[in-house]
Amino acid sequence: EPEVTQTPSHQVTQMGQEVILRCVPISNHLYFYWYRQILGQKVEFLVSFYNNEISEKSEIFDDQFSVERPDGSNFTLKIRSTKLEDSAMYFCASSLRLNGEQFFGPGTRLTVL
Amino acid sequence: GDSVTQMEGPVTLSEEAFLTINCTYTATGYPSLFWYVQYPGEGLQLLLKATKADDKGSNKGFEATYRKETTSFHLEKGSVQVSDSAVYFCALSVPAGGTSYGKLTFGQGTILTVHP
Repeated sequence: EPEVTQTPSHQVTQMGQEVILRCVPISNHLYFYWYRQILGQKVEFLVSFYNNEISEKSEIFDDQFSVERPDGSNFTLKIRSTKLEDSAMYFCASSLRLNGEQFFGPGTRLTVL
Repeated sequence: GDSVTQMEGPVTLSEEAFLTINCTYTATGYPSLFWYVQYPGEGLQLLLKATKADDKGSNKGFEATYRKETTSFHLEKGSVQVSDSAVYFCALSVPAGGTSYGKLTFGQGTILTVHP
């Protein structure tokens, strides 16, 4: 069964460093999302992406964040200069249709020291 | 803005007990409602959904009914099993259009532990 994959499963980085979180969505899906969950808090929407551009972003998704679909299969989230408060579980999701079921990856746990 | 509130957890039950996890929402539009489940070490999986008032979503013995009058979508199961131990998330999505592109708004999640 097709699934969304994410790498790495755990990333540890120093404050101020750049990190790239990678996702491989389901191959025929068209809509892509990033969410995050700070430990003990809600899963929060970060950004949605369609047709090679951002379709919606939250207040969290500031200039330090960017997304890219570089090669038609990967979907990446870059954090340019990580802060302590960026420590969270980051989930990628993809969907075939707008408002269709979103399929989630297992997440990447980001720890910023 | 849109929001989802779930009952406080964690919830601990014995096998074959009845489960209810409460979920209420506020939304500016007419949302679709979802329950997602996260098993240890895995991503979120859609458990069930309902897209209009009085719809009942069901899957794997779990049920939830979209109640517009009480803005609720409570999750129930008549007889839980040890394998149901997981984190359960209530979520909503306002239909695309205007400024919405299908994003999910989640509740805080409820940890369910079922003992033999």
